[in-house]
Amino acid sequence: EPEVTQTPSHQVTQMGQEVILRCVPISNHLYFYWYRQILGQKVEFLVSFYNNEISEKSEIFDDQFSVERPDGSNFTLKIRSTKLEDSAMYFCASMRSTNEKLFFGSGTQLSVL
Amino acid sequence: GENVEQHPSTLSVQEGDSAVIKCTYSDSASNYFPWYKQELGKRPQLIIDIRSNVGEKKDQRIAVTLNKTAKHFSLHITETQPEDSAVYFCAASKFIGAQKLVFGQGTRLTINP
Repeated sequence: EPEVTQTPSHQVTQMGQEVILRCVPISNHLYFYWYRQILGQKVEFLVSFYNNEISEKSEIFDDQFSVERPDGSNFTLKIRSTKLEDSAMYFCASMRSTNEKLFFGSGTQLSVL
Repeated sequence: GENVEQHPSTLSVQEGDSAVIKCTYSDSASNYFPWYKQELGKRPQLIIDIRSNVGEKKDQRIAVTLNKTAKHFSLHITETQPEDSAVYFCAASKFIGAQKLVFGQGTRLTINP
């Protein structure tokens, strides 16, 4: 079965540094998402992306966050100046159409020190 | 916005017994309700979903019921096995296929041999 892949699996960074989390969605999927999960808590929606633009974003997704689909395969999440509270598992997800199922990647564990 | 409440937060059952996890949602416009299973350190995996035009759906040992009037839905696992041990999340969305999933807090299910 095709999978959403994410790199790196773990990322450690210093507070204030920029990080880029990378995702390769399933190839024929058109809708892309980022979710995050703070340790021991529920999964939270960050942003959805379709047709090369953000379709919806949550309150968490402030000006420090941005997403990009720089080519036909990658989908990235950038955090410009990381804070301690950004430490979480970040999941990329993709979906072929709004009538189909959402597939999650394996996640990137971000630790901000 | 949508709010999803999930109970219980932890559940321990004997192998072979049934487990039931319940969720309530607040937005009557929600029409898609997936359930995800998450093993430690891994991605959420979709195990079953239900749409608002259906009251019940079953897949082998797993079933989901939906009561639109009461705005609650439940996951039922019968003949539980040790490999069912995981954290289970319910979610709700206004669009079939999840434009934006709102998750419950999760239930840690432990199957005792």
